Amino acid sequence: QVQLQQWGAGLLKPSETLSLTCAVYGGSFSGYYWSWIRQPPGKGLEWIGEINQSGSTNYSPSLRSRITISIDTSKNQFSLKVSSVTAADTAVYYCASSRGYSSSWYYRFDYWGQGSLVTVSS
Amino acid sequence: DIQMTQSPSSLSASVGDRVTISCQASQDISNYLNWYQQKPGKAPKLLIYDASNLEIGVPSRFSGSGSGRDFTFTISSLQPEDIATYYCQQYDNLVPYTFGQGTKLDIK
Repeated sequence: QVQLQQWGAGLLKPSETLSLTCAVYGGSFSGYYWSWIRQPPGKGLEWIGEINQSGSTNYSPSLRSRITISIDTSKNQFSLKVSSVTAADTAVYYCASSRGYSSSWYYRFDYWGQGSLVTVSS
Repeated sequence: DIQMTQSPSSLSASVGDRVTISCQASQDISNYLNWYQQKPGKAPKLLIYDASNLEIGVPSRFSGSGSGRDFTFTISSLQPEDIATYYCQQYDNLVPYTFGQGTKLDIK
């Protein structure tokens, strides 16, 4: 069974860089794409971006200029950085699997981390 | 980006009721649609994938249907533990993946 555990700084000042990491336990790390999703307080879900084992990334057009997603296959971990944060980046951030392969590719967020609340405040 | 519109945004129903949530895509997405349940303070949980397939371990009272632009999520007999917010999500053209705005379901 795949389990995701995430961590990172929870309180940032405007203009700082948000940094989160997600570790994957169990299953096949290389058989998935790995995503970050965020949820502002009281609001809906927004996909941020994804990465595969080769380091190939896809980003949300609305956030692309400020996002970097990276991967460390030796540790079964992937990370998110968001630069120049503002109060609008305050949200619970989730890591999740976004694509998997089992005889063919499938597309769904079936494994999730526990979520990390990131607050941006001066 | 493909926009997903859910209705209603909130819903109150009684235990045992049949509950239906709608999701409409801004363009034809075939059956490339998933449904999630999110309880307060928890990560979303996948319930239905590819519009109508029940995820392993999910109770059979949950179901999904539809294709093209219009989709429906149904709970055949509402249980107290079903109180949550429900989201649809599309993956046509793969990225960017987009979600509906959510439907908050509570007990009447």
